Amino acid sequence: GIQVEQSPPDLILQEGANSTLRCNFSDSVNNLQWFHQNPWGQLINLFYIPSGTKQNGRLSATTVATERYSLLYISSSQTTDSGVYFCAVELMDSNYQLIWGAGTKLIIKP
Amino acid sequence: SQTIHQWPATLVQPVGSPLSLECTVEGTSNPNLYWYRQAAGRGLQLLFYSVGIGQISSEVPQNLSASRPQDRQFILSSKKLLLSDSGFYLCAWSGVENTIYFGEGSWLTVV
Repeated sequence: GIQVEQSPPDLILQEGANSTLRCNFSDSVNNLQWFHQNPWGQLINLFYIPSGTKQNGRLSATTVATERYSLLYISSSQTTDSGVYFCAVELMDSNYQLIWGAGTKLIIKP
Repeated sequence: SQTIHQWPATLVQPVGSPLSLECTVEGTSNPNLYWYRQAAGRGLQLLFYSVGIGQISSEVPQNLSASRPQDRQFILSSKKLLLSDSGFYLCAWSGVENTIYFGEGSWLTVV
């Protein structure tokens, strides 16, 4: 089956730093989504991004579908950015199943 | 706007007891509905999904079951809980674009 790999697994940064999180996938997909899970467990959808680039405030994401990867950029990190970031891909032959990466755990220190 | 709620938020249940987690979605019709479990650490595991009333697909064989009695209601159940059922359970819905939105989550501890 398709493999979804996220890197790095853990990241510790000082407040104000920038970071890049990566998601690689092993096969063609219909779409890709990025999520943030805060320390209290709430999962928030950040981007629906099958291809191209999107920006939302300090966050932006780029998916290069032909090369099977996506990047999530966080600029000027704040402590509230801490948590786990997941990418999930939708298979080409399914419209309701997502394959999830293992996540990147981000800790922003004040 | 669409909202999703699930309850209870936390529960502690003895081994062998029944379970019922409920999830409702407001502000949309005929959503795809999902139950996920997240064990200690990361990784989300899809347990059940539903594309319509009474239509349930199971991804992982286990002692859990799901039902969708109404269009925007999704219930996760068990007749007899196991220790291994402990975890964080998340209900979710998706619409036309398949962008997925999660409920607040339910922390289950089986003792």
